[in-house]
Order: sequence, then structure tokens, then C-alpha cells
Amino acid sequence: EVQLLESGGGLVQPGGSLRLSCAASGFTFSSYAMSWVRQAPGKGLEWVSAISGSDSGGSTFYADSVKGRFTISRDNSKNTLYLQMNSLRAEDTAVYYCAKDRGTTLFYWYFDLWGRGTLVTVSS
Amino acid sequence: DIQMTQSPSSVSASVGDRVTITCRASQGISSWLAWYQQKPGKAPKLLIYAASSLQSWVPSRFSGSGSGTDFTLTISSLQPEDFATYYCQQANSFPPTFGQGTKLEIK
Repeated sequence: EVQLLESGGGLVQPGGSLRLSCAASGFTFSSYAMSWVRQAPGKGLEWVSAISGSDSGGSTFYADSVKGRFTISRDNSKNTLYLQMNSLRAEDTAVYYCAKDRGTTLFYWYFDLWGRGTLVTVSS
Repeated sequence: DIQMTQSPSSVSASVGDRVTITCRASQGISSWLAWYQQKPGKAPKLLIYAASSLQSWVPSRFSGSGSGTDFTLTISSLQPEDFATYYCQQANSFPPTFGQGTKLEIK
């Protein structure tokens, strides 16, 4: 079955760190660009970060709101995407989804497969 | 960043109705537009990409149109499973950005 499954969310204090994981199955994970998209409670969708497929050298991209605090990475041998989140703020509270890009290697920025999401709550 | 504005923010309709949702980009994006459907507590699902291309799972009552700055998502005859929130998203330039969403509710 083609699916993405996030884990690693939870409650963290402001200034703390958390690492999210996204396990992929059912498709050639290494070939596809992947992104993290978040959704604050009751709000809309916000793209957070992306990483290219292995053929494009694993280039990384970030939204201005998380640049310098979040790091995206992937382990193609484990079919897993990661998001290391440091210096967390209250405004980072959201459900974090991993999402597969529709195209192989290049970024098309169309997200055709999403995980169920993992909730990150930043609060003291 | 390109701003995406959807209208209306919410709409009430009945089963069998025809519904149109509009999305406007703050600058031209050619046909680099996607529509997503999200049901409560669930992840978004890609409905339409490249403004008018339906994903394989999407019924033909859904259609998308437009180019440049103005786009529409039309549902020709609403079914009970279509009540959800719909988001547009531009894929023309970095960073990808989403509209604020349109909640489609049962009248």
C-alpha cells in the first residue's frame, strides 16, 4: 500500500526541540521530492520545508518562518523523511504532514500523497 | 510570496447543487494551480493539478479551470461525500502557497 506515516509529535516547551519522522512505503521513495506542510489548529495549510529526490542531490528548501531553526533530511535506505525542529515557538504549534511531490526528482510542488499528520504542541 | 485568495470562505449547499469556488493569485501563475479536499481530522487530498487535470480517484463531477490569476473549482452535482474544506495552492514559484480555504457545508 502506498502510504506515509508520521511520528514524533508531542508537547514541548518553548525553546525546545523535536524530531519528526515520516515512514514511506509502496513507492520508490528515493526518486521523489518530499515536503513538510503544517496546519495550525483551525487554520489553513502552510508549506514548511522540502527536499529533492536523490538524483537531484538532496537540495533543501525552507519557509522563511522556520529557516535557521528547522532542518529537513532523508534516509533513502530507510525510506524515511525527517524534520529536526529546534528553538520551537508557540506559533509552531500545528499538525505536521509529510507530503510526496507528484513529480520524480524535480519539484512540481503538487502534493499527491499525504500522511495522517502528527501534532506538535509548543507550550509551557 | 504569491498570495492566494479564495472566495467564498464558506458556502452552504444541498445535495445535487452545482457549486463553484474561486481562487485568485496575486500575480500570474500560468496554470500552476492545484486544488485539495480536506475532511475534518483527515489529511488533504490532491483533487486537481495543473488547473484542470483530475487525479485518478476524482469523480468527473469535479472540474477545474482558469489560468493566469483567476481559477475555479466546480462541482456539478454535490454528493454527500463532497462536503469538506477545499484549498487552492499555487505551484508556479517558490515558496508554494495555499489559499485560506473554502468550507463547503450542507444546507
